Amino acid sequence: DTGVSQNPRHKITKRGQNVTFRCDPISEHNRLYWYRQTLGQGPEFLTYFQNEAQLEKSRLLSDRFSAERPKGSFSTLEIQRTEQGDSAMYLCASSSSTGWTQNTEAFFGQGTRLTVV
Amino acid sequence: DQQVKQNSPSLSVQEGRISILNCDYTNSMFDYFLWYKKYPAEGPTFLISISSIKDKNEDGRFTVFLNKSAKHLSLHIVPSQPGDSAVYFCAASPRGKLIFGQGTELSVKP
Repeated sequence: DTGVSQNPRHKITKRGQNVTFRCDPISEHNRLYWYRQTLGQGPEFLTYFQNEAQLEKSRLLSDRFSAERPKGSFSTLEIQRTEQGDSAMYLCASSSSTGWTQNTEAFFGQGTRLTVV
Repeated sequence: DQQVKQNSPSLSVQEGRISILNCDYTNSMFDYFLWYKKYPAEGPTFLISISSIKDKNEDGRFTVFLNKSAKHLSLHIVPSQPGDSAVYFCAASPRGKLIFGQGTELSVKP
């Protein structure tokens, strides 16, 4: 399977705990995105990387959230001190781009569903 | 501030008929538009895209139309099939990142 892979698929955690999600993009893709989706809404942009450089972070990404892509391959999204409002589907996507402004379609993984109890 | 809007949360169509899903955007700097399809418990799947230099792009049963002056795009599915039942999201891309609408749930009835 050469698609975008996300782990874990489901995560239940207690409020206040830290969680980390992993995304493995399509191997030749240099761009990687993180989105969050809640029920009845479209995916909300969180952040994206071109290779290992984090190009943009949404205002939605509070200081409890951090994302890394240390070698320009897989990425991790960490949420510290989780709150019930963090419960959502976290989606990762990747695309191939020859320049930072180039537009191209992104391919999504199946997501990680986070439930904070 | 919703920059990409899908004002119809749901649409029901008879099998074999045309499905038309609509999307409006506010930012004239958006230069690339995409449609995604999503089944429950799965990530969105790319369907079709269009650059702002075009007004139409066709791929099999799917056609996307872009009206830049009205800041409006639409997705036509002809003929509609029951397997097309899903949530459809439009997205706009300023410089690579994607901004999504709220989605329209399409139901195609046999």
